[in-house]
Amino acid sequence: SQQGEEDPQALSIQEGENATMNCSYKTSINNLQWYRQNSGRGLVHLILIRSNEREKHSGRLRVTLDTSKKSSSLLITASRAADTASYFCATVTAGGTSYGKLTFGQGTILTVHP
Amino acid sequence: IAGITQAPTSQILAAGRRMTLRCTQDMRHNAMYWYRQDLGLGLRLIHYSNTAGTTGKGEVPDGYSVSRANTDDFPLTLASAVPSQTSVYFCASSGMTGASYNEQFFGPGTRLTVL
Repeated sequence: SQQGEEDPQALSIQEGENATMNCSYKTSINNLQWYRQNSGRGLVHLILIRSNEREKHSGRLRVTLDTSKKSSSLLITASRAADTASYFCATVTAGGTSYGKLTFGQGTILTVHP
Repeated sequence: IAGITQAPTSQILAAGRRMTLRCTQDMRHNAMYWYRQDLGLGLRLIHYSNTAGTTGKGEVPDGYSVSRANTDDFPLTLASAVPSQTSVYFCASSGMTGASYNEQFFGPGTRLTVL
């Protein structure tokens, strides 16, 4: 079963606008990660946020984590056409024998129009 | 080698045939993983390995086997392929910082079609 569920499933914006994607999950986590996948390619890691962190930044990316609501958001500011891709959140379950196993959401397809 | 590689890039296979997908990483990561990605179902974990010599089952392990003879290599074998195993397969690896898990690095994928 999918741990993370993303919203929206698809997002279409104009270049220069901000894009916000949300992710909800079900169980306690060790960390939550966001990945990007261009069509026909492998996944590329964007940001990892640990369960004791609330916000992280990387360039034009901002990720927030609310463990009380079991949710996270990814904000891409000043989007570019090259940001067009699928974005996935993935969680690592806390403790036990899960050892770093990622459980992925279905992903958000982002299209940025020039 | 830089990062994580997979072979072959793509393969068309007759049902019932045996197939091994190869995965090699040069980052000395302890953990390695195999996922399959299907439209509408996202990425699902098939098998994983915490460290050389150990493996574990993921969400969809049936019909697949893995081995981890050394740190670098993590092959995935389909003993007798079936059409439902048509998918894109991704291998990944990750290290740890203390007791915390790090990000995973993904290979470029193998597109497998079983006829």
